[in-house]
Amino acid sequence: DIQMTQSPSSLSASVGDRVTITCQASQDISIYLNWYQQKPGKAPKLLIYDVSNLETGVPSRFSGSGSGTDFTFTISSLQPEDTATYYCQQYDILPSYTFGQGTKLEIK
Amino acid sequence: QVQLQESGPGLVKPSETLSLTCAVSGYSISSDYYWGWIRQPPGKGLEWIGSIYHSENTYYDPSLKSRVTISVDTSKNRFSLKLTSVTAADTAVYYCARHCSGGSCFSNWGQGTLVTVSS
Repeated sequence: DIQMTQSPSSLSASVGDRVTITCQASQDISIYLNWYQQKPGKAPKLLIYDVSNLETGVPSRFSGSGSGTDFTFTISSLQPEDTATYYCQQYDILPSYTFGQGTKLEIK
Repeated sequence: QVQLQESGPGLVKPSETLSLTCAVSGYSISSDYYWGWIRQPPGKGLEWIGSIYHSENTYYDPSLKSRVTISVDTSKNRFSLKLTSVTAADTAVYYCARHCSGGSCFSNWGQGTLVTVSS
């Protein structure tokens, strides 16, 4: 099974800050890495698919990069509404799907 | 716009079977796309349970495979989850979702339903 290690588990940043979350896979997952935002009491929302593709309607301050085993999710200028927990998710061709442990993002 | 809505008992006794249904509107479930179930224990992360494609191709997480069945009812445009021999560890919010067109992600989600396993 492919394991996903997401870090940090939590972070606090100010409005306007650049925020970065990383996700590391236990083996090469090619481009099959996605990012979700989950607000309290709500279902997750897909933000970025296949490493760097922005889902329709998602603000351009969100972006993703990486390849192989190391991936990065970035918010270029943090907004108050970005307070949420963020998850990475990998897809293996078996198929199987694994989520990272999550990063809880708070506004200072 | 596709919409998904989970339904089923909110309380299940230990050793019994958890049964949930996901009603789909705005899209025919017999057309393309994978359809899946994901759960989230209280205060914890997301766990994929399994998915179904074209009513007959099912894929399950290995750790749950012996207890899980996912099926589709095309006449009612819905799909279902059955999880047998439940324990307290199965207490979670259960989400149904439609996969992305390539199958690698989950683009549309239901609102989720909390299922508690307790006597």
